[in-house]
Amino acid sequence: GAVVSQHPSRVICKSGTSVKIECRSLDFQATTMFWYRQFPKQSLMLMATSNEGSKATYEQGVEKDKFLINHASLTLSTLTVTSAHPEDSSFYICSASLLAERSYEQYFGPGTRLTVT
Amino acid sequence: QKEVEQNSGPLSVPEGAIASLNCTYSDRGSQSFFWYRQYSGKSPELIMFIYSNGDKEDGRFTAQLNKASQYVSLLIRDSQPSDSATYLCAVNRRWAGKSTFGDGTTLTVKP
Repeated sequence: GAVVSQHPSRVICKSGTSVKIECRSLDFQATTMFWYRQFPKQSLMLMATSNEGSKATYEQGVEKDKFLINHASLTLSTLTVTSAHPEDSSFYICSASLLAERSYEQYFGPGTRLTVT
Repeated sequence: QKEVEQNSGPLSVPEGAIASLNCTYSDRGSQSFFWYRQYSGKSPELIMFIYSNGDKEDGRFTAQLNKASQYVSLLIRDSQPSDSATYLCAVNRRWAGKSTFGDGTTLTVKP
């Protein structure tokens, strides 16, 4: 199956610092990756779509200067939360699109739990 | 109206029963349909996909698709407590890289 990894799985940082989260497709190349955020007991919220070699497309209401996304290769996308604040504490999940036989299929990484103190 | 609608639940079934999860979508151009399972505190996991009208079976899971009614469902036979999770329905236009997700239905299987 298609495997997507994320690192770190859990991070605690102080308010005002920046945190980088890595998302890798381990056994396939992904021209498109996605970043989601999920608060407890709430649904997935798409933050941005990341395309290899081009600028990310952010969803309405997501601050692009705060959530920096880089998709430098076909297997790696990074999300940097800049000047993190306690309200940024959440579960961040990436997914990658696999071009399968009959469709694109999205596979998710295991997620990164961010706590800002 | 949301593009992909699911009953939020919670849906509660006894162990051994059939759980039926439903999803409707608004984009008639949708051609690919997916079911994901998300355990509490974990990320979603792809468990089924279906492209053609009718039924598709995989073990205890059956996905059903009716494009005319813009309806897709997931049946879980012989439900087990380990099936307790939130089930997400997702659709895309096949060659569109991004799927649109519903908010999910929470299923509880009681022993």
